[in-house]
Amino acid sequence: KAGVTQTPRYLIKTRGQQVTLSCSPISGHRSVSWYQQTPGQGLQFLFEYFSETQRNKGNFPGRFSGRQFSNSRSEMNVSTLELGDSALYLCASSGVKDIQYFGAGTRLSVL
Amino acid sequence: GEDVEQSLFLSVREGDSSVINCTYTDSSSTYLYWYKQEPGAGLQLLTYIFSNMDMKQDQRLTVLLNKKDKHLSLRIADTQTGDSAIYFCAESISRGSTLGRLYFGRGTQLTVWP
Repeated sequence: KAGVTQTPRYLIKTRGQQVTLSCSPISGHRSVSWYQQTPGQGLQFLFEYFSETQRNKGNFPGRFSGRQFSNSRSEMNVSTLELGDSALYLCASSGVKDIQYFGAGTRLSVL
Repeated sequence: GEDVEQSLFLSVREGDSSVINCTYTDSSSTYLYWYKQEPGAGLQLLTYIFSNMDMKQDQRLTVLLNKKDKHLSLRIADTQTGDSAIYFCAESISRGSTLGRLYFGRGTQLTVWP
């Protein structure tokens, strides 16, 4: 069974641009969660989607948004990028047991 | 609250046992997890324990859960240099406002010396 796939693995953007990250969950998993990891703040929860509905949201500004498609694939978007958005963005999927499995992450650098 | 605390560093010699400790505050935890992160990589699920269990063993890994003290530990037997990584403790809490969310500690950097 394939694991959680995140694309792209690396991104370099400049301030003010917008970016879209993609996450394909493990087959059969309907929940997708997103986290931001930085050296200063650690792992912070962004949002969680289940069956195309956002069920939970962390404390991030509205520039951070996401969606989930009918095949459970999810995307997150960050608009008007700031230097502080540079981070590793991790996606996790879970099935009926709610055990979260993570992808390799997307490393975003904002210049 | 949902605070998860763990010590930041641990150094052991190859072949010794490592014990990484974690405390949490919410008594409504459903599962407690240990994840491993190597440099430049994502989080690898090492093991997890359901909140109504006291212990779980999986090859070199032993997880102990003390619900009364809200204390979780991960013991790695016969630690190898390949075990050097950051280990994260996390909990999930089944309430409407916490669905699909894990609460993480800051991670423990394990260094294994040959």
